[in-house]
Amino acid sequence: EPEVTQTPSHQVTQMGQEVILRCVPISNHLYFYWYRQILGQKVEFLVSFYNNEISEKSEIFDDQFSVERPDGSNFTLKIRSTKLEDSAMYFCASSEKSGLVGDTQYFGPGTRLTVL
Amino acid sequence: AQKVTQAQTEISVVEKEDVTLDCVYETRDTTYYLFWYKQPPSGELVFLIRRNSFDEQNEISGRYSWNFQKSTSSFNFTITASQVVDSAVYFCALSEGEWGGSEKLVFGKGTKLTVNP
Repeated sequence: EPEVTQTPSHQVTQMGQEVILRCVPISNHLYFYWYRQILGQKVEFLVSFYNNEISEKSEIFDDQFSVERPDGSNFTLKIRSTKLEDSAMYFCASSEKSGLVGDTQYFGPGTRLTVL
Repeated sequence: AQKVTQAQTEISVVEKEDVTLDCVYETRDTTYYLFWYKQPPSGELVFLIRRNSFDEQNEISGRYSWNFQKSTSSFNFTITASQVVDSAVYFCALSEGEWGGSEKLVFGKGTKLTVNP
């Protein structure tokens, strides 16, 4: 069964460093998302991406964040200068967007980001 | 604004008990979608069910069942004859679907279910 994959599973970085989190969405899916979950809290929407551009972003997704689809399979989230409060689990998701509304989003296993 | 409330923070049951997880949502849209996801201790988010606002039929899948009631804006999830493997955090989520638009999920805070042997 196709699944969303994410690398790395765990990333440790120093405050102020840049990190890139990688995702490979399900191959025939057209809509991509990033969410984050601070430890023990709820899952929060960051950004959605369709047709090579951002469709929607939340207040969390400030200028320190960017997303990119560098090739036909990868979808990345970059944090330019990490802060302690960026420590969280980051989930990538994708949906088919076959024309139906309310498509199911399938999530990857997550990348746990720890900022020291 | 969209909002999802899962009032039960933690529930603990003994194996084989039935358990119901509550979810109450708020939206101004007439077209919306409701989801349940499971997050086991390993951390991934596993899709369980999707429901649209026009389909109020209850659904059963094995030991899992869902009760959608628009009149009370609730989408409750029942596990029958719970098992230790059901131990996880369960999230209810809402999406206001729109053709061509982004469909971000708004999650509740989750209910942590512990099933003891």
